[in-house]
Amino acid sequence: NAGVTQTPKFQVLKTGQSMTLQCAQDMNHEYMSWYRQDPGMGLRLIHYSVGAGITDQGEVPNGYNVSRSTTEDFPLRLLSAAPSQTSVYFCASTLSEGNYGYTFGSGTRLTVV
Amino acid sequence: KQEVTQIPAALSVPEGENLVLNCSFTDSAIYNLQWFRQDPGKGLTSLLLIQSSQREQTSGRLNASLDKSSGRSTLYIAASQPGDSATYLCAVITANDYKLSFGAGTTVTVRA
Repeated sequence: NAGVTQTPKFQVLKTGQSMTLQCAQDMNHEYMSWYRQDPGMGLRLIHYSVGAGITDQGEVPNGYNVSRSTTEDFPLRLLSAAPSQTSVYFCASTLSEGNYGYTFGSGTRLTVV
Repeated sequence: KQEVTQIPAALSVPEGENLVLNCSFTDSAIYNLQWFRQDPGKGLTSLLLIQSSQREQTSGRLNASLDKSSGRSTLYIAASQPGDSATYLCAVITANDYKLSFGAGTTVTVRA
């Protein structure tokens, strides 16, 4: 059972480039979300999805897009990378909203130069 | 907006001492509270999940208590070991928006 798988683990982008961070889970979880972790700021919610075809914004959505075409996958797209998006990104999933614990991926460390 | 605070921010203890990590939250209407461990440069590992109807959960040397009405949770780690050195994060799911809100964490160092 792989849990939540994130790729790539590390990435360096130039300002203005675009890229997609991949997230996949094999636990049939309905709820998936993306967080970024920055020193002194803790983990902040970027976007989340309560099921295939349904997404919504979190606390810091600007500069990021998401879509959810399947239950398993929830990619995060950076449209035009900026140095302020240098961070560690975590994908998480849970069976449904509310009463269940979250499982986190191992993270993607992104540097924008 | 739910605010989660963890005190202390850092803790250094000799091996064998018991650890007490505190977490407080401002909105007591929660579904559950989850404690995570994060090693440097790694992801989050779930330690304990406490439902809002529960008072505590135990796993091995770890025990977490929850006082929902006062907005507090405490993680106890008995007989600490150097391998317990890590950052411990507290997170709550708030009932009105189902969002997972994190504290900033407590960084623990256990000295051999």
